[in-house]
Amino acid sequence: RKEVEQDPGPFNVPEGATVAFNCTYSNSASQSFFWYRQDCRKEPKLLMSVYSSGNEDGRFTAQLNRASQYISLLIRDSKLSDSATYLCVVTTTSGTYKYIFGTGTRLKVLA
Amino acid sequence: SAVISQKPSRDICQRGTSLTIQCQVDSQVTMMFWYRQQPGQSLTLIATANQGSEATYESGFVIDKFPISRPNLTFSTLTVSNMSPEDSSIYLCSAVGSPEAFFGQGTRLTVV
Repeated sequence: RKEVEQDPGPFNVPEGATVAFNCTYSNSASQSFFWYRQDCRKEPKLLMSVYSSGNEDGRFTAQLNRASQYISLLIRDSKLSDSATYLCVVTTTSGTYKYIFGTGTRLKVLA
Repeated sequence: SAVISQKPSRDICQRGTSLTIQCQVDSQVTMMFWYRQQPGQSLTLIATANQGSEATYESGFVIDKFPISRPNLTFSTLTVSNMSPEDSSIYLCSAVGSPEAFFGQGTRLTVV
């Protein structure tokens, strides 16, 4: 079982739609959680951190459920520019501190 | 946030040769990592670059194949040694901020 799992998609949604991505992680001792965005042929860039209380940044809402080891990202009112791969990232300290990336979920927003 | 300059951005290399990738961070960072990303795949951690000591490698990656240097808190190199076509991939360096990770622009390596 992979340490961080995501539905690879692709998710094809029309502009204006609401789309949700899920992510599960296997290490209950994981400490920090993030969503990254990666555009084609570009490096990953931080979209938002994820906190237990949930957090929102404009059209984006992230949730963390530590008991279920589950992270989510909700995108409202999708824009064409939201088309990208969304990576769920978890930090662990098993041995050494490191970032573990999920497989990524591809989103394509259609006009 | 840190800015990371990675070079080369791309290269085409002959099998059996070696390529060294450099990453320069614009501020001192405690931790730096090296990743590989195969086409259509997510990032796989190669190793943690430790300042002043040997890198910590993940399962499946060894120092002889991927020697790493980290002479100070702003610079690291990854060498891909004795390359084969299977090493064709994107290689990314990363530095840890507070608390998120930042990435270099990546090196697209093609081995022919």
